[in-house]
Amino acid sequence: GAVVSQHPSRVICKSGTSVKIECRSLDFQATTMFWYRQFPKQSLMLMATSNEGSKATYEQGVEKDKFLINHASLTLSTLTVTSAHPEDSSFYICSARAPRGLQETQYFGPGTRLLVL
Amino acid sequence: QKEVEQNSGPLSVPEGAIASLNCTYSDRVSQSFFWYRQYSGKSPELIMSIYSNGDKEDGRFTAQLNKASQYVSLLIRDSQPSDSATYLCAVRRAAGNKLTFGGGTRVLVKP
Repeated sequence: GAVVSQHPSRVICKSGTSVKIECRSLDFQATTMFWYRQFPKQSLMLMATSNEGSKATYEQGVEKDKFLINHASLTLSTLTVTSAHPEDSSFYICSARAPRGLQETQYFGPGTRLLVL
Repeated sequence: QKEVEQNSGPLSVPEGAIASLNCTYSDRVSQSFFWYRQYSGKSPELIMSIYSNGDKEDGRFTAQLNKASQYVSLLIRDSQPSDSATYLCAVRRAAGNKLTFGGGTRVLVKP
């Protein structure tokens, strides 16, 4: 299967600072990547859809000015949590869509665990 | 009504038995269906995809799709303790669309 990496895997930061998370598709070009957030014992929540070369599409209730997404190349998307607060502590997971026509498949990165103190 | 529904479980299964997981969806025009496995503290891992009615087998896993009844199921044969995880059902309307996930079913395989 396709490989998607994320960096860092874990980050601890102070309240008010910004944190950047990178998502890379290692063996395929991903025109579309997705960013999810998952709180403990809850399901995945889609935050935004990231398209290469264009603005991200955010889900309802997700602040686009707080969660900045950049998809500058076909293999890299970044999520920046600006002015992070303790309630932003969560498991952030990216996913990249491998294009195969109708049978295109979505592969997940290993996730980034963010703890805001 | 949620777009994709799953029983949250836990589904407790003895080792060696068959685990049967069900998923129903509300969007009639959905075309693609996926099962992901998520271990605690880890990200989801794709285990099966199915696109047409009927059964699709891959090792110990069998996915079953019935579009008329709008359900997709996953069978895990010869369940092992390592199969203990949360299984997420995901549905996509068409190529290019985003996935819609169910809440997941937690499976616990007891030795």
